[in-house]
Amino acid sequence: QVQLVESGGGVVQPGGSLRLSCSASGFSFSSFGMHWVRQAPGKGLEWVGFIRFDASNKYYADSVKGRISISRDNAKNTLSLQINSLRPDDTAVYYCAKPSQKYGYRDYFDSWGQGTLVAVSA
Amino acid sequence: EIVLTQSPGTLSLSPGERATLSCRASQRLSDTSLAWYQQKPGQAPRLLIYGAVNRATGIPDRFSGSGSGTDFTLTISGLGPEDFAVYYCQQYAYSPGTFGQGTKVEIK
Repeated sequence: QVQLVESGGGVVQPGGSLRLSCSASGFSFSSFGMHWVRQAPGKGLEWVGFIRFDASNKYYADSVKGRISISRDNAKNTLSLQINSLRPDDTAVYYCAKPSQKYGYRDYFDSWGQGTLVAVSA
Repeated sequence: EIVLTQSPGTLSLSPGERATLSCRASQRLSDTSLAWYQQKPGQAPRLLIYGAVNRATGIPDRFSGSGSGTDFTLTISGLGPEDFAVYYCQQYAYSPGTFGQGTKVEIK
């Protein structure tokens, strides 16, 4: 059974940084590309970024490009999201999401974590 | 970037009624690359439909998807009490993948 568990969220001041983690189990993590998706309070879903299974390619949404970095540790089955220069409009629940296919960049998401809340406030 | 427009924004129905949710894409989607998700308050989205018409594992057959090109529909044939939630469509034909703004199905 696929399980994705995010952690690392919290309250951060504008301009600060945060590193989120997603611990994966129940599938061959090292074989799958992975995504981050976020959801501002009361709003819809926004794709944030993707990392290929071997980290050789990464793609980011224009809204966060230059401020975020996605990485992974396949030995530890862990996905990470580093967000810098945080702004109030980055306030959201951040989800890691597994695509249905191993490459999985243009794909739908068959499993989601429970999310971790990032609140950017002075 | 492909824009997905969902309608209506809110659907007020009674249990047992049929729900019809629409998702319109700003460009034609190749390969019917459209998915539907259900989200309840405080929970992560759950995959319902992929490839426009295929039910995900464990999804009851009262949920059905249809459509192609630019117009897609999610139908819930008889609303159960657990079906009142927000529903999102997502296109994955083009990068970046994008989501609709959601349709809330609420109890009338």
